[in-house]
Amino acid sequence: GAVVSQHPSRVICKSGTSVKIECRSLDFQATTMFWYRQFPKQSLMLMATSNEGSKATYEQGVEKDKFLINHASLTLSTLTVTSAHPEDSSFYICSARSGGPGVLQFFGPGTRLTVL
Amino acid sequence: SQKIEQNSEALNIQEGKTATLTCNYTNYSPAYLQWYRQDPGRGPVFLLLIRENEKEKRKERLKVTFDTTLKQSLFHITASQPADSATYLCALESNFGNEKLTFGTGTRLTIIP
Repeated sequence: GAVVSQHPSRVICKSGTSVKIECRSLDFQATTMFWYRQFPKQSLMLMATSNEGSKATYEQGVEKDKFLINHASLTLSTLTVTSAHPEDSSFYICSARSGGPGVLQFFGPGTRLTVL
Repeated sequence: SQKIEQNSEALNIQEGKTATLTCNYTNYSPAYLQWYRQDPGRGPVFLLLIRENEKEKRKERLKVTFDTTLKQSLFHITASQPADSATYLCALESNFGNEKLTFGTGTRLTIIP
């Protein structure tokens, strides 16, 4: 299957700082990338959908000014958590796909964010 | 409101037996239903996809059924092994033009040697 990578795999930061997480599709062009958040013992919750070259679409309750998403190329999307706080500590997972509905999404390995 | 529920948060099965996991949904008309495996601290890994017009899909020791009348999918692992221990997630993609994948609550499966 297709490979999606995330970097970093783990990050610890101080409260008030910003953190950038990268998501790359390694062997295919991703027209759409998705960002999910997963709290302990809970399921994945979609945060936003981004299409290459256009603004991301955020889910209800997700602050777009806090979670900045950039999908500048067909192989790279970034999520920046601005002014992070301890409640932003979570497991962030991206996925990517190369087509529309019904085309499989391929998931990255996730990034564990801990905000002190 | 829309809901996707998986029968139990945790399930313990003896090695060699068949593990059966359930996914029920309400207020969805899914075009596709997918099953994923997730290991601790890792992203989900795709296992099987079944379409709304399909009743059953198989892949090696895995079998998925999809009953759109009951609004339920069953996921079976036959001849279960300790290496099958993981959290299993079902996910729906609606056919209302909404291309989002929505995940169920997950079942943590433990295969006991």
